[in-house]
Amino acid sequence: NAGVTQTPKFRVLKTGQSMTLLCAQDMNHEYMYWYRQDPGMGLRLIHYSVGEGTTAKGEVPDGYNVSRLKKQNFLLGLESAAPSQTSVYFCASSPTGPDTEAFFGQGTRLTVV
Amino acid sequence: DQQVKQNSPSLSVQEGRISILNCDYTNSMFDYFLWYKKYPAEGPTFLISISSIKDKNEDGRFTVFLNKSAKHLSLHIVPSQPGDSAVYFCAASWTDKLIFGTGTRLQVFP
Repeated sequence: NAGVTQTPKFRVLKTGQSMTLLCAQDMNHEYMYWYRQDPGMGLRLIHYSVGEGTTAKGEVPDGYNVSRLKKQNFLLGLESAAPSQTSVYFCASSPTGPDTEAFFGQGTRLTVV
Repeated sequence: DQQVKQNSPSLSVQEGRISILNCDYTNSMFDYFLWYKKYPAEGPTFLISISSIKDKNEDGRFTVFLNKSAKHLSLHIVPSQPGDSAVYFCAASWTDKLIFGTGTRLQVFP
């Protein structure tokens, strides 16, 4: 039982490069979320999805795009990476909404130089 | 602007004593509050939750109290154990969003 899997676990990007972070869940959950964790800032919501084919903006969406073409996958894209996007990124899923237990992946440590 | 705030970045408690972690919020529309625990190099894991229509929820050593008039909630851990040493995040849900606080690092020492 894999739960929530994030790929890759580590990545170093140069300023201006693009990349996609993949989140996959095998629990048939409807809701999926992307967060970033920065020192002193806690976890901040970037984008979220309430079901296949849907996406919505969170607290800090600028510079990121997302897609949920398949229910089990939620992709986070950085079109032109900036040093301010250096962070640890977490994906999470929950069965029916944010009031139910959310399951997190192990995180992706991204460094933009 | 941070809607969920944890004003104490760290807390140190002796094993066997009570740990009290606090959380304040500004949005009166939040309908559920949750606590998550995070160990280094791992994702957060769910601990306990409470509906906005209740004022207390208990699960073993963990109890969450909600004071809606003060827009304040707290997590009590009794008795504290060394394995409880982690970062604790308060979170609140509203219109499909799950918003987290800044976290409190709890250290339980022998």
